Amino acid sequence: QVQLVESGGGVVQPGRSLRLSCAAAGFTFSTYAIHWVRQAPGKGLEWVAVISNDGSNKYYADSVKGRFTISRDNSKNTLYLQINSLRAEDTAVYYCARQKEGAGPWALDIWGQGTMVTVSS
Amino acid sequence: QSALTQPASVSGSPGQSITISCTGTNSDVGGYDYVSWYQQHPGKAPKLIIYDVSNRPSGVSNRFSGSKSGNTASLTISGLQDEDEADYYCTSYRHTSSLAFGGGTKVTVL
Repeated sequence: QVQLVESGGGVVQPGRSLRLSCAAAGFTFSTYAIHWVRQAPGKGLEWVAVISNDGSNKYYADSVKGRFTISRDNSKNTLYLQINSLRAEDTAVYYCARQKEGAGPWALDIWGQGTMVTVSS
Repeated sequence: QSALTQPASVSGSPGQSITISCTGTNSDVGGYDYVSWYQQHPGKAPKLIIYDVSNRPSGVSNRFSGSKSGNTASLTISGLQDEDEADYYCTSYRHTSSLAFGGGTKVTVL
């Protein structure tokens, strides 16, 4: 079954760091670009970052540039998001999503169930 | 403030058709045929329903259709059903190698 499963969320104090993971199954992970998208409670979706299939290209939303780092380990079929200097406004459900093959940039056809990050003292 | 502008809410009766607009700029919606639409039910992950302006992924109902004119894209849901009640988001690729989201539209089936 094609799926993405996020983990690593939790309650974290402001200023601390956190690493989210996204485990892929059911498809050839190393051939797909993967994105992170977040959704603050009761708010809309916000694109965070994307990494190419081989990890050579990475792009970030201006709102997270410099604090967030996207990476992947194709040998483990896993995507990561390192979040540093956490702020209250980073509180959100974080989704990983697969970029659709055979479509223009950047349609996201498979999504995980999300992992909740709460930044609070 | 979201990069793309959508109406906050749209409603319709079962069987009717509704259209949701998504307005951007020449740097995103107007500059590329890379608009996608997502459906999100409460507490669930988004689901891709339209990509590249008007293409439907396999398994998505043909009651969903997409189009674009200038800087505005549109999603039409025909034959509205109870299960269509959800939030809908548009996205567009932007020239800065980023992805712009609309603010979302809540669809209510009356």
